[in-house]
Amino acid sequence: DAKTTQPNSMESNEEEPVHLPCNHSTISGTDYIHWYRQLPSQGPEYVIHGLTSNVNNRMASLAIAEDRKSSTLILHRATLRDAAVYYCILRRNAGGTSYGKLTFGQGTILTVHP
Amino acid sequence: EPEVTQTPSHQVTQMGQEVILRCVPISNHLYFYWYRQILGQKVEFLVSFYNNEISEKSEIFDDQFSVERPDGSNFTLKIRSTKLEDSAMYFCASNTKRKYQETQYFGPGTRLLVL
Repeated sequence: DAKTTQPNSMESNEEEPVHLPCNHSTISGTDYIHWYRQLPSQGPEYVIHGLTSNVNNRMASLAIAEDRKSSTLILHRATLRDAAVYYCILRRNAGGTSYGKLTFGQGTILTVHP
Repeated sequence: EPEVTQTPSHQVTQMGQEVILRCVPISNHLYFYWYRQILGQKVEFLVSFYNNEISEKSEIFDDQFSVERPDGSNFTLKIRSTKLEDSAMYFCASNTKRKYQETQYFGPGTRLLVL
């Protein structure tokens, strides 16, 4: 699986935007970029995913570089509930879908200050 | 919103004992997974299961581990003879194969402590 690199930790203040970077310089053309997060003492939770174009959903936005070697997860207004470990994961594309195991790295620990 | 459920939430067992961890995936999902997370470490893939058979397994998933979908709703992970190093949080997950619905949903986990 292609590797992703994320900062170990980041901090933010409540109600401010947060930009969580991820480098994936060895991404292949068929890899989807997925983001999951893990709140304290909970299972991982899907946040967003994309292939080439920027994506928005009710939780976050995903900005994907034109060369796809990096991406940024954007939380528009961080809340205390967004304090979690955020994982950037590449998933193999097979037949137009990207099912299969998730390979987690260490992720970025996001701390949100009131 | 549908969710993956797991029982028990906590399990304490003696080394060498068998444990069965249970999961109820989301009802229309076709792919099922087990992951584990040792305290303070990253989430690790154990096994994936589709069409009543294992589709992929990791090096961790040795002969002491087995999975089963006994009745069309439950998905179980059995550890035959637990070791101290099996102490971890075990997460079940599921997803559907349908295009654009690729989200993998995780359960809340079972915390296993082997003494």
